[in-house]
Amino acid sequence: RKEVEQDPGPFNVPEGATVAFNCTYSNSASQSFFWYRQDCRKEPKLLMSVYSSGNEDGRFTAQLNRASQYISLLIRDSKLSDSATYLCVVRAGNTPLVFGKGTRLSVIA
Amino acid sequence: NAGVTQTPKFQVLKTGQSMTLQCAQDMNHNSMYWYRQDPGMGLRLIYYSASEGTTDKGEVPNGYNVSRLNKREFSLRLESAAPSQTSVYFCASSAQGVQYFGPGTRLTVT
Repeated sequence: RKEVEQDPGPFNVPEGATVAFNCTYSNSASQSFFWYRQDCRKEPKLLMSVYSSGNEDGRFTAQLNRASQYISLLIRDSKLSDSATYLCVVRAGNTPLVFGKGTRLSVIA
Repeated sequence: NAGVTQTPKFQVLKTGQSMTLQCAQDMNHNSMYWYRQDPGMGLRLIYYSASEGTTDKGEVPNGYNVSRLNKREFSLRLESAAPSQTSVYFCASSAQGVQYFGPGTRLTVT
């Protein structure tokens, strides 16, 4: 089983839609969770950390379910500029981050 | 602050040639990383350095060597390039679990 699994997509959604991505992780010792965004031919950049109680940053909401070992990202009112690949990232202790392969989102006008 | 910088941005090598990819960060981070990214494979960790003077293998270290020259600089060396090393290489540094990536080096080995 891969350590971090994501649906590769693509998710093709119209502008203004709400879209959600899930990600599952296998290491129950994982303690830190993140969503990164990667634009085509660019480097990954931190979108948001994911906290146990869930957290929101504008149109983006991240949630963590430790019992089922998955994290989610919800994007409301999608914009064309949200088109990118979203990487789920987890970390156990002081070990290096483990990246999922990403979910590709395409927002269509 | 420049953040994480990488040189070169693009490189074409012939099989068997050697080269060093350079990476520097100006954020005073202890940890630095080298990844490669291939279509459909995601980011794969090659080597990392948790602090100046230490290096550790990641998921795909074969064919590569690294040097943590000082706190700022972490270089990746391909001693004898192979077509399988054609990829995009990203360097990153981290603090408090968050990684900051450089813009990448696109390497083609023919």
